[in-house]
Amino acid sequence: ETGVTQSPTHLIKTRGQQVTLRCSSQSGHNTVSWYQQALGQGPQFIFQYYREEENGRGNFPPRFSGLQFPNYSSELNVNALELDDSALYLCASSLGGSGGSNEQFFGPGTRLTVL
Amino acid sequence: AQSVTQLGSHVSVSEGALVLLRCNYSSSVPPYLFWYVQYPNQGLQLLLKYTTGATLVKGINGFEAEFKKSETSFHLTKPSAHMSDAAEYFCAVRGDRGAQKLVFGQGTRLTINP
Repeated sequence: ETGVTQSPTHLIKTRGQQVTLRCSSQSGHNTVSWYQQALGQGPQFIFQYYREEENGRGNFPPRFSGLQFPNYSSELNVNALELDDSALYLCASSLGGSGGSNEQFFGPGTRLTVL
Repeated sequence: AQSVTQLGSHVSVSEGALVLLRCNYSSSVPPYLFWYVQYPNQGLQLLLKYTTGATLVKGINGFEAEFKKSETSFHLTKPSAHMSDAAEYFCAVRGDRGAQKLVFGQGTRLTINP
């Protein structure tokens, strides 16, 4: 069973640029959630995708957007990067829907630095 | 809305001593509660979870936690600390059964002294 993978592991961008982060969900999972973890903080929920549809969003501006593909992998896109976007971005996969597990499995994260 | 408060951003114990990490939650619905551990430069690993049923939950690496509804608490304990337990620990709540959003506390950094 393959776990959750994320790419790239590290990324450096400059203010105003755009970035795309990728996540492959664990085999059999149909739900992907994205979290932002600033240095010294707990993870903050960005949004969740269930069967290719957005299924909940946290308090993040529209320049944070996402996609989920038919194979349930996912992308997080951030436009017009700001210095405060520097953080560890975590992807978590789970089995959603009726009868789904409550457990989210996290990937290793992508460390984004905005200069 | 759900929220989590972890009391103590840093906890330091001696090797072999009791570990106690405190977590209080707020939820408008019966909560699902989780403890995750994060080692440096890594993602989150689930230690244990409470959904329904038995209020004393056992997890991996000798950790356990007790759900106390009257105190809105879900404290994490381990009888005897090991050097490998040094890490950041996060308590989380998922209160809305319709969505799987997790609300995390600020985290507690556990240091083990030899």
